[in-house]
Amino acid sequence: AQTVTQSQPEMSVQEAETVTLSCTYDTSESDYYLFWYKQPPSRQMILVIRQEAYKQQNATENRFSVNFQKAAKSFSLKISDSQLGDAAMYFCAYRSGWNYGGSQGNLIFGKGTKLSVKP
Amino acid sequence: DAGITQSPRHKVTETGTPVTLRCHQTENHRYMYWYRQDPGHGLRLIHYSYGVKDTDKGEVSDGYSVSRSKTEDFLLTLESATSSQTSVYFCAINSGLAGENEQFFGPGTRLTVL
Repeated sequence: AQTVTQSQPEMSVQEAETVTLSCTYDTSESDYYLFWYKQPPSRQMILVIRQEAYKQQNATENRFSVNFQKAAKSFSLKISDSQLGDAAMYFCAYRSGWNYGGSQGNLIFGKGTKLSVKP
Repeated sequence: DAGITQSPRHKVTETGTPVTLRCHQTENHRYMYWYRQDPGHGLRLIHYSYGVKDTDKGEVSDGYSVSRSKTEDFLLTLESATSSQTSVYFCAINSGLAGENEQFFGPGTRLTVL
């Protein structure tokens, strides 16, 4: 079974600085997707970024980028120029590729990292 | 906005009573999911659906049942609520331009079982 581990329960960053959130996963599959979700106090789950395992290039979305190390099974999220609105819980998630029998597209989540942003 | 609504948004109920949570989507997505979120556990899959009347169990399905009689509605039922089912419940769908490879969530339902 696949597992996702976020080893940092809490992180803190100064406004305008850069912070990196860690995520490791365990799988024997070769086709999969990885995601980062943001959950602000409003409780809404917001998709931040997606990475396909077959792509070597790291995904980026504005100030958010990932460092995807497939061999190491590591998928960290870097937030540049941190803003007060970035304060939230961040979840790393894994999804099997559709090619795997029994894959129904559900996500497997880590336990989350709470990010605080100091003004 | 993936057009997902959940009702009710908040509910307080007593142990032993039945509870039904509703997830409604407006964009004809095939796959729908129910997750629960508890402190220290992230989100865990309860049940999912891959079409009308096609459902299956997830990781934490004990004490829950689901039904999907229409594409747009996915119902989660707690037949006899227990305090351990106090949680935040999220509905989700698969969507995205690259073949349903992204998952979007509803706003969540906070359920308290006294």
